[in-house]
Amino acid sequence: DSGVTQTPKHLITATGQRVTLRCSPRSGDLSVYWYQQSLDQGLQFLIQYYNGEERAKGNILERFSAQQFPDLHSELNLSSLELGDSALYFCASSPRTHNEQFFGPGTRLTVL
Amino acid sequence: GQNIDQPTEMTATEGAIVQINCTYQTSGFNGLFWYQQHAGEAPTFLSYNVLDGLEEKGRFSSFLSRSKGYSYLLLKELQMKDSASYLCAVRGNNQGGKLIFGQGTELSVKP
Repeated sequence: DSGVTQTPKHLITATGQRVTLRCSPRSGDLSVYWYQQSLDQGLQFLIQYYNGEERAKGNILERFSAQQFPDLHSELNLSSLELGDSALYFCASSPRTHNEQFFGPGTRLTVL
Repeated sequence: GQNIDQPTEMTATEGAIVQINCTYQTSGFNGLFWYQQHAGEAPTFLSYNVLDGLEEKGRFSSFLSRSKGYSYLLLKELQMKDSASYLCAVRGNNQGGKLIFGQGTELSVKP
């Protein structure tokens, strides 16, 4: 158990819908990262927040957005969902930016 | 561009030693990480190299050569539970904590 929690564990929804994934970092960690893992793309970095501010951005679609709240938990919002958005979404956290990242158990999103 | 290459699959025997290679070409370099991932589960951190040389941690060791853009993960005294995917990831410069992951090496340990 890494200490990073993610909810929900599984999510099944339809195309065109919007969902919110939630992540709580390890106690004391200021950085939160979001990754997407699909069978054909591997693990892809989406975005990083550090102490509430956006710190780095990957190839995150405009339909996706994220934020980190004052209590340091983070949410990833996915809208206008497409079949291709079906994937495992992982959140990771670290104390600062230049530390190893600890991954949560992931949210498995299925878009039908 | 940024590219990380690892073998797709490897097979080894219980009790043996296996070396998983990783080569990278990235925009700057600020550390290389190895993670283990069992199917459907979260990646778990194994090792971190930022300077050239060997880092040893129990049955696992990781080596880095920055001039060659090369790393390897060495697993000794293989156990059945080591069957998993091993992910090589690189952090570049001026990109925060962004990690670029390779596609992973699926290791099968046979009795």
